[in-house]
Amino acid sequence: DAGVTQSPTHLIKTRGQQVTLRCSPISGHKSVSWYQQVLGQGPQFIFQYYEKEERGRGNFPDRFSARQFPNYSSELNVNALLLGDSALYLCASSLVERVETQYFGPGTRLLVL
Amino acid sequence: KQEVTQIPAALSVPEGENLVLNCSFTDSAIYNLQWFRQDPGKGLTSLLLIQSSQREQTSGRLNASLDKSSGRSTLYIAASQPGDSATYLCAVRLYLGRRGGADGLTFGKGTHLIIQP
Repeated sequence: DAGVTQSPTHLIKTRGQQVTLRCSPISGHKSVSWYQQVLGQGPQFIFQYYEKEERGRGNFPDRFSARQFPNYSSELNVNALLLGDSALYLCASSLVERVETQYFGPGTRLLVL
Repeated sequence: KQEVTQIPAALSVPEGENLVLNCSFTDSAIYNLQWFRQDPGKGLTSLLLIQSSQREQTSGRLNASLDKSSGRSTLYIAASQPGDSATYLCAVRLYLGRRGGADGLTFGKGTHLIIQP
């Protein structure tokens, strides 16, 4: 079975632009979470979606938004990009909420110039 | 607010040694704790998941223990190999009780491990 997939793998944007990152969970997984990992730090929780509903939100500004589609894939949108948004964005999926192991994708590396 | 600390921040040992990585967390009301491995520029690979009711989990040369009351977990790596070189991350998920929902995982900054051939 394919693991969690993310696209694109790398992205370069300029300040003020908007970006959309995509994630496909492992087949059968209904929960998708998004994390931001700045260089040298551990990942920070942004959102969790389960059965297409937002179930949790981390401490990120409203410029960050996400959604989950009927096939359980997900998009993360970031508006009005700042230099500090440069990071590795990781998507994780799990079968259900909370209890199960989270499986991470390879990430999308975003560079904001 | 849950805080996760990992000690040491970096570790370099010769091949073949047994080693211990430490993780501590401030809020003991956790649902589970997970250890991950991250290779440079890559995503995270799950190594072990310990539920709050468990004391330890083992997978091959890896053993993770959990002491919820003291807010500590250790990852023991036996007979280390150069292929074990990576950053090891500890993450906890809070127990939210009847409120349900999710807070996601709270991660430490990781231990950067180098195994010298």
